[in-house]
Amino acid sequence: AQKITQTQPGMFVQEKEAVTLDCTYDTSDPSYGLFWYKQPSSGEMIFLIYQGSYDQQNATEGRYSLNFQKARKSANLVISASQLGDSAMYFCAMRELNTGNQFYFGTGTSLTVIP
Amino acid sequence: DTAVSQTPKYLVTQMGNDKSIKCEQNLGHDTMYWYKQDSKKFLKIMFSYNNKELIINETVPNRFSPKSPDKAHLNLHINSLELGDSAVYFCASSQVGRGLTEAFFGQGTRLTVV
Repeated sequence: AQKITQTQPGMFVQEKEAVTLDCTYDTSDPSYGLFWYKQPSSGEMIFLIYQGSYDQQNATEGRYSLNFQKARKSANLVISASQLGDSAMYFCAMRELNTGNQFYFGTGTSLTVIP
Repeated sequence: DTAVSQTPKYLVTQMGNDKSIKCEQNLGHDTMYWYKQDSKKFLKIMFSYNNKELIINETVPNRFSPKSPDKAHLNLHINSLELGDSAVYFCASSQVGRGLTEAFFGQGTRLTVV
């Protein structure tokens, strides 16, 4: 089974609007971390936000927030007030405590912000 | 002061050649990785080293050989390059044992085999 599933290959959002990028995960480890990375067209991988499995509150970092629904095993990324510079690939990833060395990545979502 | 640096950034070479990609991290992390990103942007783990010891060795051709002289370096050597090896290769590092912290990535090496 896929550890991380991103079902949206491509998304469009109007500038200044909010957008949600979906991510579901599969693990039996009670201790895990969920991550979102941004990959702009220049190619580098930029860490955005982290959510731990025991965190009671949803993580937020500036315009990024993570909508963590543990029972549904989803960790959606919400970008508020989209900017043209947000156009990029976005990857959801998971790391399990018991297999702590490996990061499992989803297939990514390509986000395009429309002016 | 780049946290994870890999060289070269671009590599164009002919089929059959042998090439190496170097990676160094100055974060004091104990774990380093090599990922391959194909043309569809899928990121696939290749290798993981923890304190110079091979931890993960996914199903990759044995033409790919990682070498970790110390825990700050993880180099990737590729023998007898094939057209299908063309991809972007990312080095990354993280710390294991201090919680589930993020991985830091190098800028990637775009390998083109002609």
